[in-house]
Amino acid sequence: NAGVTQTPKFRILKIGQSMTLQCTQDMNHNYMYWYRQDPGMGLKLIYYSVGAGITDKGEVPNGYNVSRSTTEDFPLRLELAAPSQTSVYFCASSYAGQGGSETQYFGPGTRLLVL
Amino acid sequence: AQTVTQSQPEMSVQEAETVTLSCTYDTSESNYYLFWYKQPPSRQMILVIRQEAYKQQNATENRFSVNFQKAAKSFSLKISDSQLGDTAMYFCAFLRNRDDKIIFGKGTRLHILP
Repeated sequence: NAGVTQTPKFRILKIGQSMTLQCTQDMNHNYMYWYRQDPGMGLKLIYYSVGAGITDKGEVPNGYNVSRSTTEDFPLRLELAAPSQTSVYFCASSYAGQGGSETQYFGPGTRLLVL
Repeated sequence: AQTVTQSQPEMSVQEAETVTLSCTYDTSESNYYLFWYKQPPSRQMILVIRQEAYKQQNATENRFSVNFQKAAKSFSLKISDSQLGDTAMYFCAFLRNRDDKIIFGKGTRLHILP
């Protein structure tokens, strides 16, 4: 299993540009999450999904959108990039259900710089 | 609301020494899950150890063990025989239940010195 994969690893955006951060997991996890981590800080939840077709806002959803059309994929969309969105973005997944461990497994992260 | 506090922003220890990282949390729940994650310079988030609150026995994973004090709402991580590869940011995390959101502390930066 590849686990949780994210693309790209690094991206520079200009203010006002849009982009999609990709996240894929091959563990058949039902829950998926997007976090951002600002320098020297912990992780803040942006959006999460409990299954295909179901998404919900986290702590800091403004400026982002998500969709979950399949179990495997959970892309994060930035529509109008702002310098405040400069951060490292982590995707994570977990299996919540019978036999699940509640443990979240993280992707390698995407570093985004908005100039 | 649940909170997670890591009171040690940064620590340094010599290689082969034992080090303990502190974590306290606040909750009114009786059952929940606690985690320690490691984030090395590569920025990957790696699960170190997990503890279920209903289990009295402290979790251990090789050189890593926890001291879980439920009444005191304390969940410290002990690293024995520390290695240079243990140099990383360590995050304590709390999860109330499967349908809830995990809450991370602000982290402790650990330096293992040769």
